[in-house]
Amino acid sequence: AQSVTQLGSHVSVSEGALVLLRCNYSSSVPPYLFWYVQYPNQGLQLLLKYTSAATLVKGINGFEAEFKKSETSFHLTKPSAHMSDAAEYFCAVSSNYGGSQGNLIFGKGTKLSVKP
Amino acid sequence: NAGVTQTPKFRVLKTGQSMTLLCAQDMNHEYMYWYRQDPGMGLRLIHYSVGEGTTAKGEVPDGYNVSRLKKQNFLLGLESAAPSQTSVYFCASRPLARPSGNEQFFGPGTRLTVL
Repeated sequence: AQSVTQLGSHVSVSEGALVLLRCNYSSSVPPYLFWYVQYPNQGLQLLLKYTSAATLVKGINGFEAEFKKSETSFHLTKPSAHMSDAAEYFCAVSSNYGGSQGNLIFGKGTKLSVKP
Repeated sequence: NAGVTQTPKFRVLKTGQSMTLLCAQDMNHEYMYWYRQDPGMGLRLIHYSVGEGTTAKGEVPDGYNVSRLKKQNFLLGLESAAPSQTSVYFCASRPLARPSGNEQFFGPGTRLTVL
């Protein structure tokens, strides 16, 4: 079975500071990993995804994430936070093996607040 | 392309009433999904479909039924609504082809309140 753990349900940073949102996954088969962002009262939008190519993945809005198999992690970072980054972020895992049908398993989410 | 659309955007029901949520996608995707989102719980899969005429249960299927009569539409039904079904419901879709790594495309959501 696959699972995702997001450390910290709320993270607060100052504008211009580093953003680090943590995600650890559990998977017995090669995973695909995703970060989605949800702005208030909107649906989910894909930020970036890891699909077994480069381990450092760059996404939209200056975000990036690094796949570390040894640590089973896929942490999301951005060097300098902007007020517009305030949103909820979801990490998700998927796989094409083990009869999972390729479904996404989501973490519980991390709300990012950005202080001026 | 409109992508994934959901109807209605908001709805208030009384306990015991029934309703159907409609999801439509214009991307010719094979897979479609219904999730519910509750504070602190992330997204939980209710039901999904791997193609026209097929449906399968997800993590939290009780109290819901679904139908996929047409490839582009996926309906979620509540036969007898309960306050515990107060939630935000999201529909998503993805293609059968795997190069995208199973990325799903989400609709804007339906906010349902059951009194």
